[in-house]
Amino acid sequence: GAGVSQSPSNKVTEKGKDVELRCDPISGHTALYWYRQSLGQGLEFLIYFQGNSAPDKSGLPSDRFSAERTGGSVSTLTIQRTQQEDSAVYLCASSLVGTGGYETQYFGPGTRLLVL
Amino acid sequence: AQTVTQSQPEMSVQEAETVTLSCTYDTSESDYYLFWYKQPPSRQMILVIRQEAYKQQNATENRFSVNFQKAAKSFSLKISDSQLGDAAMYFCAYLSQGGSEKLVFGKGTKLTVNP
Repeated sequence: GAGVSQSPSNKVTEKGKDVELRCDPISGHTALYWYRQSLGQGLEFLIYFQGNSAPDKSGLPSDRFSAERTGGSVSTLTIQRTQQEDSAVYLCASSLVGTGGYETQYFGPGTRLLVL
Repeated sequence: AQTVTQSQPEMSVQEAETVTLSCTYDTSESDYYLFWYKQPPSRQMILVIRQEAYKQQNATENRFSVNFQKAAKSFSLKISDSQLGDAAMYFCAYLSQGGSEKLVFGKGTKLTVNP
């Protein structure tokens, strides 16, 4: 079946602009995760959704970052007033369950964001 | 908070040879999961192998196997009969059982496979 998809694949924006990154999880996966991968910080967790709610948003670096998930499926990560330090690869993952049970997280190909 | 350490930023191996990538972690939990993910230049993170901490038997997946030493908090990955397609970044990751569902990653090891 189809894997996790993300769009756009690459995004170049100017400092101060808002950007939206999209993630389509594997069909039927209830849990969805956003991670950020940057040269200086490695792979960092941003936020986790179980259905449409976000029990863990502890990794969001500032209030410029927000995310939502609708219909228990697609998720959008929004970065407002982008800064150069936001440049990174944003990875999305999904898994079948996430309520204390264990299931493998499957990753999408990521969105490479460059803020000029 | 849990931490994962990969002490080898880069490793290289000859095709058909065996290589071992190191990973140590720090946790006060007794139940958890450990993973090795592979990230080729395409950026797609691909699960290589996983280990449940309650299992004493080391996980194996074809040419990939782990040496899980719970007391030492060590989780190394052995790749046998290395192939050119194994060249990638390899990340070790930790997942708590219950509670937060986030993966905690090491910094990664870049593996080069020489023909």
